[in-house]
Amino acid sequence: EAGVTQSPTHLIKTRGQQATLRCSPISGHTSVYWYQQALGLGLQFLLWYDEGEERNRGNFPPRFSGRQFPNYSSELNVNALELEDSALYLCASSLGAGGSNQPQHFGDGTRLSIL
Amino acid sequence: GNSVTQMEGPVTLSEEAFLTINCTYTATGYPSLFWYVQYPGEGLQLLLKATKADDKGSNKGFEATYRKETTSFHLEKGSVQVSDSAVYFCALSDQGSSNTGKLIFGQGTTLQVKP
Repeated sequence: EAGVTQSPTHLIKTRGQQATLRCSPISGHTSVYWYQQALGLGLQFLLWYDEGEERNRGNFPPRFSGRQFPNYSSELNVNALELEDSALYLCASSLGAGGSNQPQHFGDGTRLSIL
Repeated sequence: GNSVTQMEGPVTLSEEAFLTINCTYTATGYPSLFWYVQYPGEGLQLLLKATKADDKGSNKGFEATYRKETTSFHLEKGSVQVSDSAVYFCALSDQGSSNTGKLIFGQGTTLQVKP
C-alpha cells in the first residue's frame, strides 16, 4: 500500500512569491492535514480537510490556504512568501474524520526554502 | 490549552542500553496518545499509540503506557540499536468538546545510539 506522497521534495522561492505544495493521501483516507515544522518552533498544525471541506485551521495568517480535491488529494498554497516561511511542510492523512482512533500517517514532507 | 512536554535531548546511549524518553501531557477530555519517530531527511512515522487509560502501545520493541493518574506516556525500549537513532515525538489528539483534528506535539527528543 502506498503511503502519503508529497511533491515537490524541495522548493526554493524568493520573498513575495507564491508556493504550491501537493499531497496525495493513503488510498481510502478522506482526511488530510498539513503541519509546519520550522527550526526551533517544532510541529505546528496548519489545516485539516475532510470530504473536500476545511474543518479546522491553526494559528496561521490567511496567506496560508489550501483545498482538497474530489479524489481527496490536497494542495497547500502560501502567498506572499516571507523568510520565516522556510520550513518542512508535512502532510498527513487518516481514515475518516481524524478522531482519537484514527492515527495520522505522514508523508516525507516538502522542504520550502525562501531566499 | 492542551500541551505535551518531553524531556530535553539529546539522549546519547550505547548500543543495547535501556531507553526511557519521558513525556507528560495536559489535556481536557480523553485524548489518544502517540509516539512518532523521524529519521533524518524523512517525515514522521507512527511508532505506537494508546487510546485510553492503562492501554499499552507497543511496536518494534518500543512500549509506552497511558498513565492517566500521572498524565504520562513514557517511551521505553529494553535494548537500543544504532538504527534507533532518530528524533522521537510524543503527541496527543486535541479533543475537548469537539474534534479539532489536530495533533499537539512535544518538542521532540533526539536519540543518538553509539556502537
